[in-house]
Amino acid sequence: QVQLVESGGGVVQPGGSLRLSCAASGFPLSIYVMHWVRQAPGKGLEWMAVIPSDGSSGNYADSVKGRFTVSRDNSKNTQYLQMDSLTAEDTAIYYCAREGHSSGKCGDFDIWGQGTMVSVSS
Amino acid sequence: DIQMTQSPSTLSASVGERVTITCRASHSINSWLAWYQQKPGTAPELLIHQASTLKIGVPSRFSGSGSGTEFTLTISSLQPDDVAIYYCQQYHSYSPTFGQGTKVEIK
Repeated sequence: QVQLVESGGGVVQPGGSLRLSCAASGFPLSIYVMHWVRQAPGKGLEWMAVIPSDGSSGNYADSVKGRFTVSRDNSKNTQYLQMDSLTAEDTAIYYCAREGHSSGKCGDFDIWGQGTMVSVSS
Repeated sequence: DIQMTQSPSTLSASVGERVTITCRASHSINSWLAWYQQKPGTAPELLIHQASTLKIGVPSRFSGSGSGTEFTLTISSLQPDDVAIYYCQQYHSYSPTFGQGTKVEIK
């Protein structure tokens, strides 16, 4: 069964750090471009970051550039999102998503995880 | 960034009624547009990619059309299971963006 499962969410103080994991099953992570998308409580979807299939340098939304870092370990079929210098505005459900069909620059998201909640609060 | 604008924000219709949601892009995105359905408490699910191609397994009452800057998602006969928020997403640029969502309710 093709599946993504996120973990690592929780409550963190402003200025703190958190690392999210996204474990893939049912398909080889190594051949797919992977993304992170977040959704603040009661709000819409916001794309955060992308990492190429070979794990080379990712691309980030301006709102998290310099604070968030994506990485992956294809041998473990897992990708990660390191989040530093967190603020209340980063409070959201964080989804990992597999890129499906590509335009050559980006793609749609054909498989999503269930999401993991991150709350930034003192 | 390319801005995506959906209308309406909320839509209420009767079971069996035809429903249309519009998504407009601030710049031409050719046909690089996807539609997602998000039911309460769950992750979004891909319905349509490349503006009009239905994902395998999605009911045929869903359809998409458009190119350039204007796109539509149509549900030909609204069912109770279609209650959800629908999002469009462009993937023409390196930074993908979503519309703000359209909430579909049963009247």
